[in-house]
Amino acid sequence: DAGVTQSPTHLIKTRGQQVTLRCSPKSGHDTVSWYQQALGQGPQFIFQYYEEEERQRGNFPDRFSGHQFPNYSSELNVNALLLGDSALYLCASSWGPETQYFGPGTRLLVL
Amino acid sequence: SQQGEEDPQALSIQEGENATMNCSYKTSINNLQWYRQNSGRGLVHLILIRSNEREKHSGRLRVTLDTSKKSSSLLITASRAADTASYFCATDVKGSYGKLTFGQGTILTVHP
Repeated sequence: DAGVTQSPTHLIKTRGQQVTLRCSPKSGHDTVSWYQQALGQGPQFIFQYYEEEERQRGNFPDRFSGHQFPNYSSELNVNALLLGDSALYLCASSWGPETQYFGPGTRLLVL
Repeated sequence: SQQGEEDPQALSIQEGENATMNCSYKTSINNLQWYRQNSGRGLVHLILIRSNEREKHSGRLRVTLDTSKKSSSLLITASRAADTASYFCATDVKGSYGKLTFGQGTILTVHP
C-alpha cells in the first residue's frame, strides 16, 4: 500500500514565476491538507480539500490556490512567487479529520 | 502565533537514556498528535491522543495529556541513535476539523 506521494521532490524557480506541486493521497483517504514549512520552523497550515472543495484555509494570501480531483489527488499552485515562499511544502492525507499521514515534501527554492 | 509550543527547543542525551519533551497549547482541542521529522524530510506520525484521554502508549513512546493545564508530554524510553530527529506536537483545535497547528519542535540528539 503506497503512502502519500508528492512531486516533484525539488524545484527551483525565480521570483514572479508560478509553480504547481502535486500530491497523491494514501489509498482510502479522502481529505488532503497542505502545509508550508520554513527552515527551522514547524509546518503552517495552508488549506484543506475534501470532496473537491476547499474546506478550510490558513493565513495565506490568494496567491496560494489548490485543487482536488475526483480521485482525491491534489495540486497546490503558487502564483507570483516571492523569495519568502522558499520552503518545504508538505501534503498530508487522512480519512476525514483523523490521523494525517504526510508525504516526503517538495522543497521549493525561489531565487 | 503558534498554538503549540515545545520545550525544550533542543535535547541531547546518551543512548539508553529516556527523553521527555513537553508541549503547551492555548485553546480547546479535539486531539493532540506527535510527529517525528528526520533531516527536513516528511513527518512521521507517532501517536494521537484525544481530548478525553489522559495517557497513551505505543512501543517505547508514552504520551500524556492534561487538558486542565493545556499541556502534553512525550516520553521516549531507552532511546537509540535512530531516534535522533525533530519532534513536533500538533493540535487539532475544536471546531477546526483536522486543521493541525504545529509548534516549533524539539530537536533530539541521541549520542551512541
